[in-house]
Amino acid sequence: KAGVTQTPRYLIKTRGQQVTLSCSPISGHRSVSWYQQTPGQGLQFLFEYFSETQRNKGNFPGRFSGRQFSNSRSEMNVSTLELGDSALYLCASSSTAAGSNEQFFGPGTRLTVL
Amino acid sequence: AQSVTQLGSHVSVSEGALVLLRCNYSSSVPPYLFWYVQYPNQGLQLLLKYTTGATLVKGINGFEAEFKKSETSFHLTKPSAHMSDAAEYFCAVSDLRGQNFVFGPGTRLSVLP
Repeated sequence: KAGVTQTPRYLIKTRGQQVTLSCSPISGHRSVSWYQQTPGQGLQFLFEYFSETQRNKGNFPGRFSGRQFSNSRSEMNVSTLELGDSALYLCASSSTAAGSNEQFFGPGTRLTVL
Repeated sequence: AQSVTQLGSHVSVSEGALVLLRCNYSSSVPPYLFWYVQYPNQGLQLLLKYTTGATLVKGINGFEAEFKKSETSFHLTKPSAHMSDAAEYFCAVSDLRGQNFVFGPGTRLSVLP
């Protein structure tokens, strides 16, 4: 079974631009979560989508948004980029099957904002 | 709200020595507990998890962890460190639905030759 894939792997943007990151979960997984990882703040939860609906949300400004499609693929968008948005963005998928409760992570998208 | 603390942001051990990475959680109800490992420029990989049953959990790469409810701890151990164990380790908790994951700040493990 293929793992979680994220595209692109690396991205360089300038302040004020917007960016869209993509995540394809493991086949059959309906939950997709997004995290921001920085050296100073560690892993911070952005939001989780399940069956195309946002189920949980972290404490991030409205510039950060996401969506999930009917095939469970998810995208996250960051508008009006700031220097502090430079981070590794990780996507994780999980199954709702009984006994399966861990999250499976993709390799991440490293975003650099100049 | 759940929280996770990991004592020591950086731990160094010699190759062949015992690895002990500490994790304590704060939760009104014993949650599900996880340890993940992250190698440079990669995502997180599950090492092991505790949900129910035996409190000593064995994972991949020779790691194991013990859930101690009375101490609200889930420390990770490995009897003999290998150079390939050098990575960042994250302890995490979730609720009993497998949702609302909270990660600890991580511990960077260095293995010295």
